[in-house]
Formats: sequence, structure tokens, C-alpha cells
Amino acid sequence: GENVEQHPSTLSVQEGDSAVIKCTYSDSASNYFPWYKQELGKGPQLIIDIRSNVGEKKDQRIAVTLNKTAKHFSLHITETQPEDSAVYFCAARIAAGNKLTFGGGTRVLVKP
Amino acid sequence: EAEVAQSPRYKITEKSQAVAFWCDPISGHATLYWYRQILGQGPELLVQFQDESVVDDSQLPKDRFSAERLKGVDSTLKIQPAELGDSAMYLCASSRRQDVQFFGPGTRLTVL
Repeated sequence: GENVEQHPSTLSVQEGDSAVIKCTYSDSASNYFPWYKQELGKGPQLIIDIRSNVGEKKDQRIAVTLNKTAKHFSLHITETQPEDSAVYFCAARIAAGNKLTFGGGTRVLVKP
Repeated sequence: EAEVAQSPRYKITEKSQAVAFWCDPISGHATLYWYRQILGQGPELLVQFQDESVVDDSQLPKDRFSAERLKGVDSTLKIQPAELGDSAMYLCASSRRQDVQFFGPGTRLTVL
């Protein structure tokens, strides 16, 4: 089955700096890659996603890049703010079935 | 905006007892998912429904876990008997077919 590795497991940045989280996946049949933000005691919230026919996608301060050849994708957060502090999960979906396989998560701390 | 509803939000039980969790998906979402999230890890799919039919329960421990979605709308996940290792967050998500998954707030289960 699909395997998703996520790095780093923790990330501490100064407010205003950029944060980058990287994920690799194993199954070349994966075609959809969402990113979720999870705050303490809450369910994951979708923040951005990218499909395999696109190399990059931006939404205000967040962007995701996808390298299908290398089977890796990354989340970029610019001008970080304290409210960006949370756990972020990447995921990959194989075309058939809509099953998501999640990475292990990255705990991001933005220091004021 | 429409959200996935789950109850209870917290459940404490003793091992060997039975527990049940309820999920009401976003209206019109044909696909419903139950995930288990162990503290510090990413969610793992337990079972996926398409309308009232199970399409993937390969990771569901069927000796003690059961799930149903009788009318293709809301769903119940049951554990009987609960074991110490079942302590986790149980997340429900829903989607239109082959589309973005939206998560509920989860049920935090503690087994003593």
C-alpha cells in the first residue's frame, strides 16, 4: 500500500519567517495530495490541496509544490503568524477509492 | 457552513466495556469515513462507506469493532469490548464521491 513520510516532526520558527514541511510518497498511482491543519482537541482542517496534473498551487500565504518524478511534495507558509501554530499533516490518495494515507505530522510553533 | 457532527466529544470507559460513537456527515455527502488517530500520529482509515455499503474495512479490527450506516446518512462505530490500546481520537470524515474529505471534531476515547 501507500506510505507517506513527513519531515520534520517539529518545526520552530520566528514570527514573520517562512516554514517548509516536506513529504514523500511511495505509490506512483497517487494523484491527489491534501494538507490538513489540526489544532489541539480539534479535527483536521483542509488548508490546501494539489492534484497530480499541477506542479504548484498558492493560496495567500500558503503554497504547495509537487514533484511527481521524485514523488515528493512540500508545504510552504510565508510570513508566519502565531495562529499558524498547530500540527500539519500531509496525505496522499491513490486514484481508486479516495483512501487517504497520512504522514506522521509536523508540529509547528511560531514564536512571537 | 456545513460541518461533520460527532458525539460524544469525550468518552471515558473501563476496559471490557462497550462504547459507541456517532457521526452525522455533511448533507449530500455519499462517502463517510472513520479514522483512528493515536496521539502524536496521523489518522489511519478504519472503514469507508459509499452510501450504506462498506467499500474498505481492511484496517478495522473486526473481532471487536463494528460500523454501520443503515440508511446511508449517519453512522455508528462500536467497540466491544474496549481494550487499553483503543485509547485514541476517533475521527469521522465525509466527502462527495472521490472528492475532498471534511473532518468532524472527533471523539477522544480514554480506556482505563
